[in-house]
Formats: sequence, C-alpha cells, structure tokens
Amino acid sequence: EAGVAQSPRYKIIEKRQSVAFWCNPISGHATLYWYQQILGQGPKLLIQFQNNGVVDDSQLPKDRFSAERLKGVDSTLKIQPAKLEDSAVYLCASSSYSGFNYGYTFGSGTRLTVV
Amino acid sequence: AQKVTQAQTEISVVEKEDVTLDCVYETRDTTYYLFWYKQPPSGELVFLIRRNSFDEQNEISGRYSWNFQKSTSSFNFTITASQVVDSAVYFCALSGTGTGANNLFFGTGTRLTVIP
Repeated sequence: EAGVAQSPRYKIIEKRQSVAFWCNPISGHATLYWYQQILGQGPKLLIQFQNNGVVDDSQLPKDRFSAERLKGVDSTLKIQPAKLEDSAVYLCASSSYSGFNYGYTFGSGTRLTVV
Repeated sequence: AQKVTQAQTEISVVEKEDVTLDCVYETRDTTYYLFWYKQPPSGELVFLIRRNSFDEQNEISGRYSWNFQKSTSSFNFTITASQVVDSAVYFCALSGTGTGANNLFFGTGTRLTVIP
C-alpha cells in the first residue's frame, strides 16, 4: 500500500510569513495526526483528527497554527505568522483505528526553516 | 501524565557489537502501549514494535529484541551484531488509554552510530 504522502519536503520562509503543509494519509485510515519535531527532540502531537473531526488539539498554538481535514481524507496544516521557534520537521501520521492503538504510519515530514 | 525517558543521548559502537537502548516510562494508565521507532537520516519514522501493558513477554525479531519489565517501567531495545545500516535515531514512545489516548508521547531519542 502507498505510504503517507507529505509535501513540500523542505520549506524556507522569513519570520512573519505564512506557510502551509499538506498530508495525504494511507487510504482508508480514519485517524490523522500532525506532529512537530524540533531538532534534537522527539515528536510532539499538535492535532489529531478522526475522519474530519478534531479529537485533540490541546497542544496546537491556535493563535498562529490551524489545521483542517475537510473531507476526512487529506489534511492541511498552516502557520500564520511564522516565528523562528517554529523551525522544525512537521510529521503527518495516520492509523486505521483510533481506539486500539493500531500501528501509526508516518510520512517523511516537511522540514521548515524560519529565518 | 505520560512521560518517556531515554537517558542515552548518543551511543557509538563498532560493527558487530551488541547494543542496548534504554527506555523508562511513566504513566497512570493501567492499559497502555509502548513503541519503538527508528528514524534514519531520511527523516521518516519507521515502526519497529508495539507492546501492550498486559504482555510482558520478551520479543525477538531477527537481530532485534525487546525486554519489557513493568516492575521497573522499562522497555529496552537490544540490537545484536550491529550493522552500519542500524545507524539512526531510535525513539521509544508511549500511548495510554485515558485522556489523550492514541497520542504518542515520545522520548528524546537515542542517536546510534555504528562504526564500520
């Protein structure tokens, strides 16, 4: 089966600019996650979707970050305006069933550099 | 609250040596899941194993083995006869079944370098 697709692979922007990342999960996976991985740290959950509804966005900085999954398939994560500390790899993951911790499949991530 | 500690930041071994990566976790959930992921330089997180809290049997998969001990809240990972291709960052992660279920809490990772 095809993996989790993410684009772009790399992005460099200036602070205060906006940026958007795209994720297409594995076909049929109802649950989609966005993680932020700052250099030297483990990934941290930003938001979790179940189909097109938000399950957990408690760690999403909502003053500047937003995410949507309108049709319950692909998802977009946006940052506006970006800050220097947003420099990180943004990982998308999907799983087939949220209730029993089936394996999560991660994409290759988008590496964001804010200058 | 969930917490995962990987005390080893970096480890270097010579090819064919055995190496153990430590993972200690904290959780108040009685049912929880533990994971190991490998992150090669390409950046993708590669799933290695998932164990639930009721299954303390050690597991072996080829050169990889895992030792789960609830008494010490540890889930250690051993690579036998290491190879250069094993060089990567390895993450231990925890997922509970209470608030924030299905959220993977990651440790800070251990960077393994296998020297030829």
